[in-house]
Order: sequence, then C-alpha cells, then structure tokens
Amino acid sequence: DAKTTQPNSMESNEEEPVHLPCNHSTISGTDYIHWYRQLPSQGPEYVIHGLTSNVNNRMASLAIAEDRKSSTLILHRATLRDAAVYYCILRGYLGADKLIFGTGTRLQVFP
Amino acid sequence: KAGVTQTPRYLIKTRGQQVTLSCSPISGHRSVSWYQQTPGQGLQFLFEYFSETQRNKGNFPGRFSGRQFSNSRSEMNVSTLELGDSALYLCASSSETGMGTDTQYFGPGTRLTVL
Repeated sequence: DAKTTQPNSMESNEEEPVHLPCNHSTISGTDYIHWYRQLPSQGPEYVIHGLTSNVNNRMASLAIAEDRKSSTLILHRATLRDAAVYYCILRGYLGADKLIFGTGTRLQVFP
Repeated sequence: KAGVTQTPRYLIKTRGQQVTLSCSPISGHRSVSWYQQTPGQGLQFLFEYFSETQRNKGNFPGRFSGRQFSNSRSEMNVSTLELGDSALYLCASSSETGMGTDTQYFGPGTRLTVL
C-alpha cells in the first residue's frame, strides 16, 4: 500500500481557513485519496475523497496536485469542533476494504 | 439509519483471559472491518469480513480472530490476553462496492483494558 506523509500537528484560529497537506509521492494511477478525521473519544469519520479533480462537499474541499503526488484538505472556516486528528489515506481502485492509517495531523483550533 | 454499534463500550480483563467484542454494522452493509488503536502504534487494520468470509487480515498474531454472521454482525475474539492488547478496538462497515470510492463508517469503539 502506498504511503502518505503528513505534518504531526497544525494550529489554527477559529473562523480562519486551514490547509492540511499530505504527500503521497508513490501514489499509483488508480489510487483514490481519502481523508478521515478522528475527533476526541470517537471513531474516525469520513471527510472527503478524490481521484484527480478537486472536490468539494459540505465539510471540506480537497485540492489535488496535477501530478497527484500531494493533496491538501481545506477547511474553509475552522471551528472548535474541527479539532481532531486528520488522516490522509490512499485506497486502490479495486481491492481490500481496509484503510491503512498513518500518524495523521493533529489540528488544534483556538478561539 | 442507525450507525455502527459496538458492545460493550468498556471492558476490563486480566492477563490470560479471552474476550469477545461485538459489532453491528449499518443496515445493508455487508463489509465489516476491525481496527486496533493504541497510543504507540496508532490505528492498525486487524481484519475484514464480507459475506461471512474473512477477506483480508492484518499483521496480528493468531490470538486475534473474528467471524461474521449471516446478518452481517461481526465479532472479534482475543484469546490469552496480554497487557499489550489494551487498546481501543474499532469496527467499521461499508456498503462495499469493491471500488476505491467506498466509505467506511466507524463505530465508537470498545475500550479494552488488560490488567
């Protein structure tokens, strides 16, 4: 399984945008980029995923580099409830229904 | 729809005992995966079941086992508990189209403490 690299931690102030980077230089052409987050004392929850084009949903946006070797999760206006560990994960087009978690980025949001 | 439920939420056992954890997936989901989360190793994949068959297994000893029933409910069992088995055990289900777009939905986890 291809590996991802994320910063250990990031900080943001409430109401400000947050850009969470992820490097995945060994990504294959059919790997999807998924983001999950884990709030304190909860199981992980799905945030967003994409393949090549940038994606938006109600929670966040995903910006994917043209060469797909990196991506950025964008929270447009951070709230205190967004404080969590964010995981960037690659999933093959076909294959095992499993997620290989890295260490993730711990996002702190200050009021 | 109800989410993924796991029982019990908390469990305390002693070394050498065995434990069984239960997971009920979202209605209609046929794939159930199990993960172990510890402060030292983070989130690690244990195994995945689909239609009562184990399809994938992570790198864990044979003391960790599981099964899935015809209604997609799943159980995992850990025999001969060790102190290092203390962890949060998470279950996740998905509708499993077999494609990379599948989303996994996680339960709240079972916190196992081994004394």
